[in-house]
Amino acid sequence: EPEVTQTPSHQVTQMGQEVILRCVPISNHLYFYWYRQILGQKVEFLVSFYNNEISEKSEIFDDQFSVERPDGSNFTLKIRSTKLEDSAMYFCASERGGQRNQPQHFGDGTRLSIL
Amino acid sequence: AQKVTQAQTEISVVEKEDVTLDCVYETRDTTYYLFWYKQPPSGELVFLIRRNSFDEQNEISGRYSWNFQKSTSSFNFTITASQVVDSAVYFCALRFTGGGNKLTFGTGTQLKVEL
Repeated sequence: EPEVTQTPSHQVTQMGQEVILRCVPISNHLYFYWYRQILGQKVEFLVSFYNNEISEKSEIFDDQFSVERPDGSNFTLKIRSTKLEDSAMYFCASERGGQRNQPQHFGDGTRLSIL
Repeated sequence: AQKVTQAQTEISVVEKEDVTLDCVYETRDTTYYLFWYKQPPSGELVFLIRRNSFDEQNEISGRYSWNFQKSTSSFNFTITASQVVDSAVYFCALRFTGGGNKLTFGTGTQLKVEL
């Protein structure tokens, strides 16, 4: 069964450094998302992406964050200057689209640790 | 405001017991979509079931069943004859018509199934 893949599984970065999290969504899916989960807390929406542009973003997704689909297969989340509070599990998700009851399929996540 | 509440923080059961996970949601929309996801200790998010607000019947799928009560805004999830492999955090999530495509998650219920 096709799945969403995320790399790396764990990223350790110094505060202030840039980090890029990568995702390969399911190939025939049209909608892409990033969520994050701070340890022990609920999953929070960051951003949704459709037709090569951001369709919605949360207040967490400030100027330090950006997303890109550079080559038609990868979907990346970049954090420009990381802060300690960016430490979390970051999940990529994709969805086929067409009907509102379609489930979002999640990758295994990237655990981001900011030192 | 759109909100999902999972009041049970942690549940412990003995294998083979049935267990019900509660989910209460708030939305002003008349059309919305509800989902349950499982997060095992390995950390990934696995889609389990979905429900449209306009569906009439409750369903059973293997050991899983769900009880959707629109009058009380509840979407409870039952595992029959629980197994140790069911040990995980279970998240209820809501997608509402006026909220774009994002999922709003509850805080999760940690289920521990012991021998």
